[in-house]
Amino acid sequence: DIQMTQSPSSLSASVGDRVTITCRASQSISSYLNWYQKKLGKAPKLLIYAASSLQSGVPSRFSGSGSGTDFTLTISSLQPEDFATYYCQQSYSSPLTFGGGTKVEIK
Amino acid sequence: QLQLQESGSGLVKPSQTLSLTCAVSGGSISSDDDSWSWSWIRQPPGKGLEWIGYIYQSGSTDYNPSLKSRVTISVDRWKNQFSLKLTSVTAADTAVYYCARTDYYFDYWGQGTLVTVSS
Repeated sequence: DIQMTQSPSSLSASVGDRVTITCRASQSISSYLNWYQKKLGKAPKLLIYAASSLQSGVPSRFSGSGSGTDFTLTISSLQPEDFATYYCQQSYSSPLTFGGGTKVEIK
Repeated sequence: QLQLQESGSGLVKPSQTLSLTCAVSGGSISSDDDSWSWSWIRQPPGKGLEWIGYIYQSGSTDYNPSLKSRVTISVDRWKNQFSLKLTSVTAADTAVYYCARTDYYFDYWGQGTLVTVSS
């Protein structure tokens, strides 16, 4: 199985801050990397697919980069509605696996 | 707009079988070329997300090896729905279960349903 490791596991930030979350795969996954936002009691929401493609309807303050084993999700200017847990997920090979999550909290 | 809705028993006794159904509306579960599949994903309380498996409309399946011996996913194209059965459940199977459309990513999700394993 491909292991996905996210860092940090949690962070505190203020509205307007630039936030960066990293995800590392245990082997190369090319660009088969997706990012989701998860709020309590809600289904995960796809933000970024194929490492850097913005899902339709997702604000442009979200961006993704990386390939191979190292990936980054960046929120350019954190908004109140962005406080949530973020997960990366690889779709390179089965079983499909998720990172452990990064909880973004209000500072 | 594609919508998915999970249904099924919210309480299952240990050693019994968990059964859930995902109804798809606003679109067909079928595609001409199996371009997407239909997944089950779960999240135990306070933990992360775990992919359980998926099925194509053709009936082809792939399961997470960690659950493979206990999982069956099936599809009913006429009812536009797909289902999950998980046998011999334990407390470790307590989770919110989601269904999702799957391409190389999960783009449409159900709202999730909590299944508690308890006697």
